[in-house]
Amino acid sequence: DGGITQSPKYLFRKEGQNVTLSCEQNLNHDAMYWYRQDPGQGLRLIYYSQIVNDFQKGDIAEGYSVSREKKESFPLTVTSAQKNPTAFYLCASSASDSPLHFGNGTRLTVT
Amino acid sequence: GENVEQHPSTLSVQEGDSAVIKCTYSDSASNYFPWYKQELGKGPQLIIDIRSNVGEKKDQRIAVTLNKTAKHFSLHITETQPEDSAVYFCAAYNNNDMRFGAGTRLTVKP
Repeated sequence: DGGITQSPKYLFRKEGQNVTLSCEQNLNHDAMYWYRQDPGQGLRLIYYSQIVNDFQKGDIAEGYSVSREKKESFPLTVTSAQKNPTAFYLCASSASDSPLHFGNGTRLTVT
Repeated sequence: GENVEQHPSTLSVQEGDSAVIKCTYSDSASNYFPWYKQELGKGPQLIIDIRSNVGEKKDQRIAVTLNKTAKHFSLHITETQPEDSAVYFCAAYNNNDMRFGAGTRLTVKP
């Protein structure tokens, strides 16, 4: 089955540690996205990538980093510089001029 | 940039009734308007979408209307069922920029 896989589903980290969230897609989509979702708020764009080896900052990129070494993979690193990292993180992909397909998210808790 | 507002934030209806969720957008250049349904612990799933050259689109019990002049679009669910209970998001898209509303939590009471 084609789709987007995010892992792990739940992630716990201590404050001050970097953590990397995985996102893999087998839909052959060029574009991939990372969103953050907080209760009562819409999805806010962290980073996006339209093509391999290229990515752009979204609205809330501070404290996050990404890489796009392969078309299928777009990992997100939440660094210790992110002031409020506890959230639900969603990865998405899309083909040209088509809707976003979302993964099932990773819930990150930092204590 | 684009700003999308969505109302209401919560909506409770009786099974069989209709539900309407409304969104407004600010950028007249936005040309694509998807609606997503998100169930607990899952990612949003596309349920219906509409492009700016169309005024209305229907898919079984779900319909979306678009008023470009007023810059608003709405989701209509008829004959609601308990499995329609979820959070619904609208979005507006222009030039690689997708903006989401804050979401509507719909509860359908049996």
